Amino acid sequence: DQQVKQNSPSLSVQEGRISILNCDYTNSMFDYFLWYKKYPAEGPTFLISISSIKDKNEDGRFTVFLNKSAKHLSLHIVPSQPGDSAVYFCAASPSSGNTPLVFGKGTRLSVIA
Amino acid sequence: DVKVTQSSRYLVKRTGEKVFLECVQDMDHENMFWYRQDPGLGLRLIYFSYDVKMKEKGDIPEGYSVSREKKERFSLILESASTNQTSMYLCASSPPYQGFQGEQFFGPGTRLTVL
Repeated sequence: DQQVKQNSPSLSVQEGRISILNCDYTNSMFDYFLWYKKYPAEGPTFLISISSIKDKNEDGRFTVFLNKSAKHLSLHIVPSQPGDSAVYFCAASPSSGNTPLVFGKGTRLSVIA
Repeated sequence: DVKVTQSSRYLVKRTGEKVFLECVQDMDHENMFWYRQDPGLGLRLIYFSYDVKMKEKGDIPEGYSVSREKKERFSLILESASTNQTSMYLCASSPPYQGFQGEQFFGPGTRLTVL
């Protein structure tokens, strides 16, 4: 059973507009969440994270929002740029115990010029 | 600068061959991981290791084994390669953060094709 779900396999956005990538989780023990970005033929790179004590974390054009009651998080990219075109993975982890990150299946973002 | 390297970017092997994928990290990280990435299936964890000589099965360990003889090196072994093991293989490492898995650092990946 998938504990981290990214229900949109792909998303297309016009350059300069907002991109919103969504992620849902089922495990209430998760309290740390990360987003990774992956270009073809490269390994994923860390983008931004949020812990469950916050509901928002911002880093430049990237903002992650966390709604714990809905078990939902989203990544906002404003403004979107063609270089943002990549696969984005959501990942989650509990803060206690030594367990690996659980990844979603990814969303492919295409930013059209 | 943090670095995870993988021995090959592209590899082509025959069915039944024994395949070794090597991963080295220079960050003195305790934790190391092997994933495979397939279209529509995301990143699936094969094996991970919290320390030298230690290994734990991930979600899809069947057909694979691992070796961690030194802290910086984590090897993935396909005992008898099969065509369904054609995939992108990604290695990652992370430090332990009070018991929870902090940010993982990924290598560039090995695209393995089994004919």
